[in-house]
Amino acid sequence: NAGVTQTPKFRILKIGQSMTLQCTQDMNHNYMYWYRQDPGMGLKLIYYSVGAGITDKGEVPNGYNVSRSTTEDFPLRLELAAPSQTSVYFCASSYSGTANEKLFFGSGTQLSVL
Amino acid sequence: AQSVTQLGSHVSVSEGALVLLRCNYSSSVPPYLFWYVQYPNQGLQLLLKYTSAATLVKGINGFEAEFKKSETSFHLTKPSAHMSDAAEYFCAVSESFGQFYFGTGTSLTVIP
Repeated sequence: NAGVTQTPKFRILKIGQSMTLQCTQDMNHNYMYWYRQDPGMGLKLIYYSVGAGITDKGEVPNGYNVSRSTTEDFPLRLELAAPSQTSVYFCASSYSGTANEKLFFGSGTQLSVL
Repeated sequence: AQSVTQLGSHVSVSEGALVLLRCNYSSSVPPYLFWYVQYPNQGLQLLLKYTSAATLVKGINGFEAEFKKSETSFHLTKPSAHMSDAAEYFCAVSESFGQFYFGTGTSLTVIP
């Protein structure tokens, strides 16, 4: 049972570099989400998707881009990495996105921008 | 927008003692409420959720939470702490599609 898989687990970037955080789920979930977790700040929603080809901004989208070409994959792209993007990133998914439905989380990507 | 307040970013209890983690939300309409647990180097896992069926909700690993509308609270409790309960706990609320709001988390330490 793979669930939600994120790669890489750790990454160090230099300022101005770009990278893509990968997220894939094998549960045929329609909704997928990207959160960032900063110490003492809880989780903040970056982007979410309600299905292939449809994405929307969350609370903190600046500096990030997403795409959803398939149901399974929801990559998050950082174009010009900045120190403020140092964080732990979590991908999550749910089947229908309803308010009472639980989220399934990946194990996270720890990103440092130096 | 919703807000979730978790009082106490760090809580320490002795093994076998009562665990009480506090969560308050801001909403004039009862939302859906969740507690998630995060073990080191892992993603969040659902502990329990409130969906208006019953005010006392039982979750996994002996945890339970009580929804109190008058206090806008959803505190998490466990009668007897175990070493394996050491983790970060997040309260979350949701009102509509795709909109989840998480608290800042409470780190639970269990002292042997």
